[in-house]
Amino acid sequence: EPEVTQTPSHQVTQMGQEVILRCVPISNHLYFYWYRQILGQKVEFLVSFYNNEISEKSEIFDDQFSVERPDGSNFTLKIRSTKLEDSAMYFCASKEDLSTDTQYFGPGTRLTVL
Amino acid sequence: DAKTTQPPSMDCAEGRAANLPCNHSTISGNEYVYWYRQIHSQGPQYIIHGLKNNETNEMASLIITEDRKSSTLILPHATLRDTAVYYCIVRGNTGNQFYFGTGTSLTVIP
Repeated sequence: EPEVTQTPSHQVTQMGQEVILRCVPISNHLYFYWYRQILGQKVEFLVSFYNNEISEKSEIFDDQFSVERPDGSNFTLKIRSTKLEDSAMYFCASKEDLSTDTQYFGPGTRLTVL
Repeated sequence: DAKTTQPPSMDCAEGRAANLPCNHSTISGNEYVYWYRQIHSQGPQYIIHGLKNNETNEMASLIITEDRKSSTLILPHATLRDTAVYYCIVRGNTGNQFYFGTGTSLTVIP
């Protein structure tokens, strides 16, 4: 069964450093998402992406964040200058098209900012 | 998207049916009921969704009341691996994001 994959599974970085989290959505899916979950808290929406542009973003997704689909398979989340409070699990999700609303989530990347 | 209310926690004996309730009294006519679960900080896993008819798949059954103001997710024979947080989410087919609340923490007991 096709699935969303994410790399790395765990990323440790120093405060102020840039990180790139990578996702490979399900191959025929057209809509892509990033969510995050701070330890012990709810899963929160960050951004949605369709047709090579952001379609919606939350208040969390400020100028420090960016997303990109650099090729036909990868979908990345970049945090330009990490802060301690960026430590969280980051989940990528994808959905097929407009006919469905079901999003499929990857296993997540645990980001630890020291 | 309509707000949902779920009990914070439930226990279920292994092998028995787990019935997880969800109230969504403000649901509107074009909004679907979705169920996801999250096993110990893994990515949320899609379980099932429905509009007004009851639905069944290989994982679970979804029973939606006739007035659509509440629903129940049924895991017919719970196993230890079903221990997870279960999220009931109501949404229309137009939004981008899923709003995850606090869900129900289901513990399956041996």
